[in-house]
Amino acid sequence: QSALTQPRSVSGSPGQSVTISCTGTSSDVGAYDSVSWYQQHPGKAPKVMIYDVNKRPSGVPDRFSGSKSGNTASLTISGLQAEDEADYHCCSYAGSYTPVFGGGTKLTVL
Amino acid sequence: EVQLVESGGDLVQPGGSLRLSCAATGLTFSSYWMHWVRQAPGKGLVWVSRINSDGSTTSYADSVKGRFTITRDNAKNTLYLQMNSLRADDTAVYYCARALKFARWFDPWGQGTLVTVSS
Repeated sequence: QSALTQPRSVSGSPGQSVTISCTGTSSDVGAYDSVSWYQQHPGKAPKVMIYDVNKRPSGVPDRFSGSKSGNTASLTISGLQAEDEADYHCCSYAGSYTPVFGGGTKLTVL
Repeated sequence: EVQLVESGGDLVQPGGSLRLSCAATGLTFSSYWMHWVRQAPGKGLVWVSRINSDGSTTSYADSVKGRFTITRDNAKNTLYLQMNSLRADDTAVYYCARALKFARWFDPWGQGTLVTVSS
């Protein structure tokens, strides 16, 4: 199973919006509405921000939203804040009770 | 509050063995599938292995198949990863994570334990 493809880095100024893409195949992202996104600050554990493509767990700000089209999923963060600076990892269900992750994207808040 | 705490990471020589543990609190551990995910320094997350709720079925990434074994003790609320024939490219922080909908998403994750394979 090949890793999902994410941009290495994205950046934005406070208050702006940024979108991070996650491209897979018709066997993972395209096959299931089971894409999740994880935020990871340096030295910390990943934290789920989006699951099932566009659902937010309790406590996650509504500035975070997710979508999917074909084999590509996206995470959009609106109203960027300094605390959003982190690594973001996408993940898709890939069948047979296994997931596949992306390579991670570093978000810099300018 | 659901909490996962890993332990057992260490510096080990190539070819050596190590057993990682993941202690779970605040949840009915025996109800959930559990996974191990690793992250090499400066790299992304990579799925390693998973086990179903009663421990009867397991699955592994090709890179660790035949070398790693995932088990669980539901009486002790603990997940394990036995790692044998370790290689330099196994160097990573290893996270345990509770699976929701079997493998659709993960919450929470442990804080991770560092495994370094080097002579």
